[in-house]
Amino acid sequence: NAGVMQNPRHLVRRRGQEARLRCSPMKGHSHVYWYRQLPEEGLKFMVYLQKENIIDESGMPKERFSAEFPKEGPSILRIQQVVRGDSAAYFCASSPYKETTYNEQFFGPGTRLTVL
Amino acid sequence: DQQVKQNSPSLSVQEGRISILNCDYTNSMFDYFLWYKKYPAEGPTFLISISSIKDKNEDGRFTVFLNKSAKHLSLHIVPSQPGDSAVYFCAEKGGKLTFGQGTILTVHP
Repeated sequence: NAGVMQNPRHLVRRRGQEARLRCSPMKGHSHVYWYRQLPEEGLKFMVYLQKENIIDESGMPKERFSAEFPKEGPSILRIQQVVRGDSAAYFCASSPYKETTYNEQFFGPGTRLTVL
Repeated sequence: DQQVKQNSPSLSVQEGRISILNCDYTNSMFDYFLWYKKYPAEGPTFLISISSIKDKNEDGRFTVFLNKSAKHLSLHIVPSQPGDSAVYFCAEKGGKLTFGQGTILTVHP
């Protein structure tokens, strides 16, 4: 029973390029969350998605960032025209049921994005 | 605005002794708290949680205490082991998770 999978584990991009981060939730999980950890900080919520729906994107930067979770395939976090400040670890988590206070989220190993 | 704060960036403890990690929060409406443990190059893993209707929850060597009047929670690890060395995050879960900045725990043999 594989856990949450993220790829790539490490991604290097030059300023202005696009970054695509992928997350495959645990089997049977239909809810995905993305978090970002900047250096020396805790994880910060970005977006919560169900299959084909964005439920809460209150933590997403207004520009250049987008997320999707299609009916088939992994969830994608896309960052267009990356800047140095986007360098961070991006974590995906999944859960099996409708988002409630008591529903545990299982985290993937993260993708470390470095923008040169 | 940091709604969940861990004011100690690091803690060093001798093996076998108690580790106490602290966390403060600002919103009295918060009602469910969790502690996560994170090793380098891995994602956070759930450790223990507590609901605001309780003031203590225990699981083996790990105990979480909640002081609602002080808006403070703490994680006690007894006895501490070298394998406990990691970054510990407290989080509030009122929907999405709101994390503190983390405390690096080092347990020396």
